[in-house]
Amino acid sequence: NAGVMQNPRHLVRRRGQEARLRCSPMKGHSHVYWYRQLPEEGLKFMVYLQKENIIDESGMPKERFSAEFPKEGPSILRIQQVVRGDSAAYFCASSPIGTSGTYEQYFGPGTRLTVT
Amino acid sequence: GIQVEQSPPDLILQEGANSTLRCNFSDSVNNLQWFHQNPWGQLINLFYIPSGTKQNGRLSATTVATERYSLLYISSSQTTDSGVYFCAGVLYGNNRLAFGKGNQVVVIP
Repeated sequence: NAGVMQNPRHLVRRRGQEARLRCSPMKGHSHVYWYRQLPEEGLKFMVYLQKENIIDESGMPKERFSAEFPKEGPSILRIQQVVRGDSAAYFCASSPIGTSGTYEQYFGPGTRLTVT
Repeated sequence: GIQVEQSPPDLILQEGANSTLRCNFSDSVNNLQWFHQNPWGQLINLFYIPSGTKQNGRLSATTVATERYSLLYISSSQTTDSGVYFCAGVLYGNNRLAFGKGNQVVVIP
């Protein structure tokens, strides 16, 4: 059973470009979460999605960031017009269908974004 | 939001030593997980432990939900145990994990 997959593992973008990060949840999981780890900081929640629905985006920056989880295909975290402060490790997690909070989240290997 | 405090922030261990890491929560959680972030940056799930005690090899964890804390025990530490250990919890009625700042563990041969 493959785990959570993220690609690319490393991404370099110049200031002003767009970054697209992809996440394929574990088989049978329909809940996806994105977290960000800034240098020297802990992990912070960004957004929680189910298929075709954004459930909680309270951790997303108001501008330039968006996320989707279409009916078919991976979840995408999109960052427009990247700035140096966006350089971080972005982790995706998934969980099976279940009641609120009472399930384990499984993490992918992360995408390390570097903005030059 | 919920506050998660981990102690000690930094720990240096001689290979073979035992250690205990602690995680305190400011509010009750109904999901508690421990992770190990290895030197390559990957997050490894260690335990899902909202309450009780679990063991996996040289690692074990105990959560006392009524007192809002969890402990991670590392026995007979090895150099491969080096890295950062995170605990994280989900507030009741919520879905997002709130992480502590981690315990940086270095095991020296």
